Amino acid sequence: DAKTTQPPSMDCAEGRAANLPCNHSTISGNEYVYWYRQIHSQGPQYIIHGLKNNETNEMASLIITEDRKSSTLILPHATLRDTAVYYCIVRVAGANSGYALNFGKGTSLLVTP
Amino acid sequence: DAGITQSPRYKITETGRQVTLMCHQTWSHSYMFWYRQDLGHGLRLIYYSAAADITDKGEVPDGYVVSRSKTENFPLTLESATRSQTSVYFCASMRTGYQETQYFGPGTRLLVL
Repeated sequence: DAKTTQPPSMDCAEGRAANLPCNHSTISGNEYVYWYRQIHSQGPQYIIHGLKNNETNEMASLIITEDRKSSTLILPHATLRDTAVYYCIVRVAGANSGYALNFGKGTSLLVTP
Repeated sequence: DAGITQSPRYKITETGRQVTLMCHQTWSHSYMFWYRQDLGHGLRLIYYSAAADITDKGEVPDGYVVSRSKTENFPLTLESATRSQTSVYFCASMRTGYQETQYFGPGTRLLVL
């Protein structure tokens, strides 16, 4: 799986958009970009994933650059409950890829009142 | 309730004792996983299972035993607990296909004295 680079920490004011960047310059054509988060003392939580196109769901939006070497997770209206460690994971989906998720160190997002 | 549950949530045991951590999911996902999370190491895969009666080792399997007689259950046993197995243990199940996603349980915090 391709290596990812994320800033160790970020702050965001409550109600504002939180934009979390991830660099994955060695990504392969068949690798997806996944985002998970882990709120303190809880299990990791899936947020969103994509291959080439931008994706949106009820939690967040994922913007992937045209060359796929970086992406941004957007939480449109951050709340205090979004304070967590956010992990960007790049991996091939499917039976031959191995299923362990490499969480790395992630970005610790602090949402402030 | 639908979802993935783990029991016990907290456990204190002594070195040399056998401990079994339980994991139960209600989605009938084929794949299930056990991870451990330690400071400085992130989440590491211990064992995974592709279906009932099919299990395989992950990154750190030594000292652990798993079984999977039913699709919904995936217990993890520490046959003779050691202090180095003090950790937070997360169970996960996975929905396969394009929407391949791992869903995590709340975790079991194990302290080995």
